[in-house]
Amino acid sequence: NAGVMQNPRHLVRRRGQEARLRCSPMKGHSHVYWYRQLPEEGLKFMVYLQKENIIDESGMPKERFSAEFPKEGPSILRIQQVVRGDSAAYFCASSPVSGNQETQYFGPGTRLLVL
Amino acid sequence: GDSVTQMEGPVTLSEEAFLTINCTYTATGYPSLFWYVQYPGEGLQLLLKATKADDKGSNKGFEATYRKETTSFHLEKGSVQVSDSAVYFCALRGGGNKLTFGTGTQLKVEL
Repeated sequence: NAGVMQNPRHLVRRRGQEARLRCSPMKGHSHVYWYRQLPEEGLKFMVYLQKENIIDESGMPKERFSAEFPKEGPSILRIQQVVRGDSAAYFCASSPVSGNQETQYFGPGTRLLVL
Repeated sequence: GDSVTQMEGPVTLSEEAFLTINCTYTATGYPSLFWYVQYPGEGLQLLLKATKADDKGSNKGFEATYRKETTSFHLEKGSVQVSDSAVYFCALRGGGNKLTFGTGTQLKVEL
């Protein structure tokens, strides 16, 4: 059973460009979560999605960031007009169902560097 | 809101030493508690979890007990190895679906 897959693993963008990060959850998992890890910090929740629905986006910056989880295909985290402060590791996690006892399984992350 | 506080690192130990990494939390209701480990350049791996008071999670020689009275979930291991060197994150999951993480504790184990 393949784990959570993220690509690309490393992404370099210049200021003002767009970044697209992809996440394929584990097989059978329909819940996806995105977290951001700034250098020397812990992970911060960004958004929680189910297929075709955003359930909780309380951690998403108000501008330039968006996320989707279409009926078919991976979840996408999109950052428009990137700035240097967006440089971070972005992790995706998935779980089979919701509920606070459920384990979230993490992917290897995408490390974004904005020049 | 929910929060997790864990001891600052780095923690440097000799091989076979005893490890404790403290973790305390603030949450409403009855959260589940987790320890994740992150090796350099990799994602987070679940190490252990506990879902109710007095539960003990254990894995690979690591243990942590959910103490509701002290709102703590301290990580322990009786004899660390060089291969345990990593960053350890304490986390909770409350009434919502998101995980709230501590800032992480780096562990370095030397020969």
